[in-house]
Amino acid sequence: EVQLVESGGGWVQPGGSLRLSCAASGFTFTSHGMNWVRQAPGKGLEWVSYISSSTGSIYYADSLKGRFTIYTDHAKSSLYLQMNSLRDEDTAIYYCARETFYDFDYTMDVWGQGTPVTVSS
Amino acid sequence: EIVMTQSPATLSVSPGERATLSCRASQIVSTNLAWYQHKPGQAPRLLIYGAFTRATGVPARFSGSGSGTEFTLTISSLQSEDFAVYYCQQYHNWPPLTFGGGTKVEIK
Repeated sequence: EVQLVESGGGWVQPGGSLRLSCAASGFTFTSHGMNWVRQAPGKGLEWVSYISSSTGSIYYADSLKGRFTIYTDHAKSSLYLQMNSLRDEDTAIYYCARETFYDFDYTMDVWGQGTPVTVSS
Repeated sequence: EIVMTQSPATLSVSPGERATLSCRASQIVSTNLAWYQHKPGQAPRLLIYGAFTRATGVPARFSGSGSGTEFTLTISSLQSEDFAVYYCQQYHNWPPLTFGGGTKVEIK
């Protein structure tokens, strides 16, 4: 079964750090780029970051540059998001999502259940 | 950045009725448009990509249309499991990937 399982969320004070993990199974991890997407309370989905499996390209939402770092461990089939200098507005459920191209169409076709992050004093 | 705008924010529909959801892009995105379904406590689910191609396992009652800047997701006959929030998302020009604000389809 193709599956993504996030972990590492929790409560942290403003200015603190967390590392989120996303364990992949049931597919060849190295064949797919990966994304992080978040949903703040009462809000919609917001793309956070992307890492390519083929080129190593990495992208971030402009609001996050310099605070978050995305990386992978192919040996563990895992995706990570290191979050530093956390702010109240980073409070959200964080989802990892697999990239798949169908011809020239980019999709996020497999998603995890999400891990909640609460930033509060 | 391409801004995606969805309407209405909430759609009240009776089971068995048709639901029509709209999505507008601030710039032309061709057919580089996907739709996702999201239920509380669950993972988002890919429904449509390429503006009109159903993802694997998606029932035929879901259909997408449009190109350029105007898109529509139609659910032909709402089933109980279809009540959820629906998001459009463009991948024509990224980063960033951008989502619309969502349309909540609720039971009337």
